[in-house]
Amino acid sequence: AQKVTQAQTEISVVEKEDVTLDCVYETRDTTYYLFWYKQPPSGELVFLIRRNSFDEQNEISGRYSWNFQKSTSSFNFTITASQVVDSAVYFCALSGASGSARQLTFGSGTQLTVLP
Amino acid sequence: DVKVTQSSRYLVKRTGEKVFLECVQDMDHENMFWYRQDPGLGLRLIYFSYDVKMKEKGDIPEGYSVSREKKERFSLILESASTNQTSMYLCASSRTAYGYTFGSGTRLTVV
Repeated sequence: AQKVTQAQTEISVVEKEDVTLDCVYETRDTTYYLFWYKQPPSGELVFLIRRNSFDEQNEISGRYSWNFQKSTSSFNFTITASQVVDSAVYFCALSGASGSARQLTFGSGTQLTVLP
Repeated sequence: DVKVTQSSRYLVKRTGEKVFLECVQDMDHENMFWYRQDPGLGLRLIYFSYDVKMKEKGDIPEGYSVSREKKERFSLILESASTNQTSMYLCASSRTAYGYTFGSGTRLTVV
């Protein structure tokens, strides 16, 4: 069975602060995929990133960066110099490669509020 | 622009009614999914399908059924709506395990 844990329910920061959202996962698959999604107040899920289990390179995209560590089963997301527009619910998710593992399993989400 | 379309953005139904939530994708994806989103619980999988007429139960199938008669359409059915099924429902489709597209959601209120 797959499981994703986002222990931080809510985080509040002041604009320009850096913030890290934690994600810990469990799976018995050797091939799997990890995702981060953003859900702004409008409600639509916005895809941010996907990593496969064989690629542990960290990734940076503008103010966003992701740290994937298989040894600790973690896939953490950092926003540098946060902005008010970053306020949203962020979900970490996991899927396997085949069969019923193709379903996307989500964490419970982290509500990020960036104050001006 | 590829798309997953959910037929209604907001829906209000009475307790005991039979409710159909429709989802259509135009990407020829094999896999389709129905999720329910509730505050503090994230998105939980209700049912999914990886082929026409195929369906599998997700984590919370009780009180729901699904239908997939055509590849592009995946319907979620609440046989007898109850107030605890008031929620946001999200449909998604994918071709592989690493490319998911979500609809914009249906907010269902059961009164």
